[in-house]
Amino acid sequence: GENVEQHPSTLSVQEGDSAVIKCTYSDSASNYFPWYKQELGKGPQLIIDIRSNVGEKKDQRIAVTLNKTAKHFSLHITETQPEDSAVYFCAADARNSGSARQLTFGSGTQLTVLP
Amino acid sequence: SQTIHQWPATLVQPVGSPLSLECTVEGTSNPNLYWYRQAAGRGLQLLFYSVGIGQISSEVPQNLSASRPQDRQFILSSKKLLLSDSGFYLCAWNNRFLKNTEAFFGQGTRLTVV
Repeated sequence: GENVEQHPSTLSVQEGDSAVIKCTYSDSASNYFPWYKQELGKGPQLIIDIRSNVGEKKDQRIAVTLNKTAKHFSLHITETQPEDSAVYFCAADARNSGSARQLTFGSGTQLTVLP
Repeated sequence: SQTIHQWPATLVQPVGSPLSLECTVEGTSNPNLYWYRQAAGRGLQLLFYSVGIGQISSEVPQNLSASRPQDRQFILSSKKLLLSDSGFYLCAWNNRFLKNTEAFFGQGTRLTVV
């Protein structure tokens, strides 16, 4: 099955600096890679996603890059703000034991933006 | 638009008591449904998934069970809770008929077993 590894587990940056979170995946058949943001006590919410026919996608201060050959993808947040502080999850889609497609999540990164 | 409801938001239960968490989805039909747990760390552990009424698959052995009595209703249960069942439980859904689609999460239930 799919295995997704995410680094770092914690990340502190100064307000205005950039933050980068990296993930690797194992299943070469995966072709959808979403990123979720989870604020304290709430469910994760999608912030950006990328499909395998694209190498990079950007949405304002957030960008995601994908290297299918190396099987890794990254989240980039520029000009960080205190409200960016949260736990971020990467995920990759893959077939599970029952052949249904589902997301496999990384272990999460606690991002803290220091004012 | 589609919405997902999960309740209760918080729950404190004694060891050995039963559990029932409910999740319903509105605005879509035939969703895939999922139950995840977040324990002390931040990782999302998939517990159960369902592709249709009465169809439940378990990803990990545990003290919990799941049921899908209706197309848009997913229930997480236990007959006797353990201390180790404490955690943050998340229900999610995605579109069964579309490839490469995101999962939508509920707001979660914080379960504390005492």
